[in-house]
Amino acid sequence: GAGVSQTPSNKVTEKGKYVELRCDPISGHTALYWYRQSLGQGPEFLIYFQGTGAADDSGLPNDRFFAVRPEGSVSTLKIQRTERGDSAVYLCASSPGNNEQFFGPGTRLTVL
Amino acid sequence: QKEVEQNSGPLSVPEGAIASLNCTYSDRGSQSFFWYRQYSGKSPELIMFIYSNGDKEDGRFTAQLNKASQYVSLLIRDSQPSDSATYLCAVNKNTDKLIFGTGTRLQVFP
Repeated sequence: GAGVSQTPSNKVTEKGKYVELRCDPISGHTALYWYRQSLGQGPEFLIYFQGTGAADDSGLPNDRFFAVRPEGSVSTLKIQRTERGDSAVYLCASSPGNNEQFFGPGTRLTVL
Repeated sequence: QKEVEQNSGPLSVPEGAIASLNCTYSDRGSQSFFWYRQYSGKSPELIMFIYSNGDKEDGRFTAQLNKASQYVSLLIRDSQPSDSATYLCAVNKNTDKLIFGTGTRLQVFP
């Protein structure tokens, strides 16, 4: 079946701009996670949704980052006033609820 | 001290050999353990998970967990050049988020 999809695959923006990254999880998966990965590092947790609610947002680095999942399926990660340090690959994962997380292809964000 | 530690490598093994990848973790409350494979420029792909002490086998892969020593390993038998990738170890403390190591780069040469 279809895996996790993410759009766009690449996003180049200028410092100070606003960006939205979209994640479409595997159908039926109730849990959705956002991570970001910098070069040479493992993925770093940002936020986790169970259904529509954010169950754990402890990984969001600051209040410029926000994520929603209004209908319990698609999620959008929003970054305001982007900074060069936000450049990374943003990964979304979904899970049927048993801790096995399946990753999407990621969105490579470049802030110039 | 990082929560999950892995040797960055590269670990080079000849085709057909056993590759042994190791990972240590600091939090004794960690409950489940995962191995992901990540090819260059791609996203992590789940290979195996293990919850209980001992070995768990799946095809050419064996995960080993020793909670007393706080380490988890992945053995790849009959290594193939297509196994060349970065292997990420991740742990879960029953809080649903995964904590990843930095990964070990494996190179399998013909």
